Amino acid sequence: QQPVQSPQAVILREGEDAVINCSSSKALYSVHWYRQKHGEAPVFLMILLKGGEQKGHEKISASFNEKKQQSSLYLTASQLSYSGTYFCGTVGLPGAGSYQLTFGKGTKLSVIP
Amino acid sequence: DGGITQSPKYLFRKEGQNVTLSCEQNLNHDAMYWYRQDPGQGLRLIYYSQIVNDFQKGDIAEGYSVSREKKESFPLTVTSAQKNPTAFYLCASSRFGQGEDGYTFGSGTRLTVV
Repeated sequence: QQPVQSPQAVILREGEDAVINCSSSKALYSVHWYRQKHGEAPVFLMILLKGGEQKGHEKISASFNEKKQQSSLYLTASQLSYSGTYFCGTVGLPGAGSYQLTFGKGTKLSVIP
Repeated sequence: DGGITQSPKYLFRKEGQNVTLSCEQNLNHDAMYWYRQDPGQGLRLIYYSQIVNDFQKGDIAEGYSVSREKKESFPLTVTSAQKNPTAFYLCASSRFGQGEDGYTFGSGTRLTVV
């Protein structure tokens, strides 16, 4: 089953913050986050593993709530270069479905000056 | 530089013809994947392979076929049985096949069937 992302789209002014959520109906082993700019390949941002900690760097970070089967991506002090479509991908626990990455439908983020 | 090369970038075919999309990686990754991307649908898994000479169907394998004769190569054939083949196709690879590692994607092939 595809994870559900919210919101579907968001428009930010430079410097504003955003949160993108990813929710799954199955028990998760890992959550991936990718960013795709129009017509280009998705680029890997980070992975969160079961039992792991919140990850990220200065302005883009993510959390993983294993009990709720949810992950959130945090973008702070957004820059024009953050524009693109963000996808979460989930991998289920053994016995909970495919080991392979299943992607959500994406969240389109637009940062304007 | 290591990476994944997909060719061609754009492909036009007549309805009823089979077409093969190329995917080559020099990252020494064991696992390779094919995804299809349609507007508003995210990426959907077609086939994946974790080792040479072995591959498994993904969520939307009908009308597609693959081979994995070499570690570096994972070509995808879109057959005439695929009812709606026009889409953006992405190939990816990873070190492991159990969701423990990030995927590296190629730049994609946009297939248009007329």
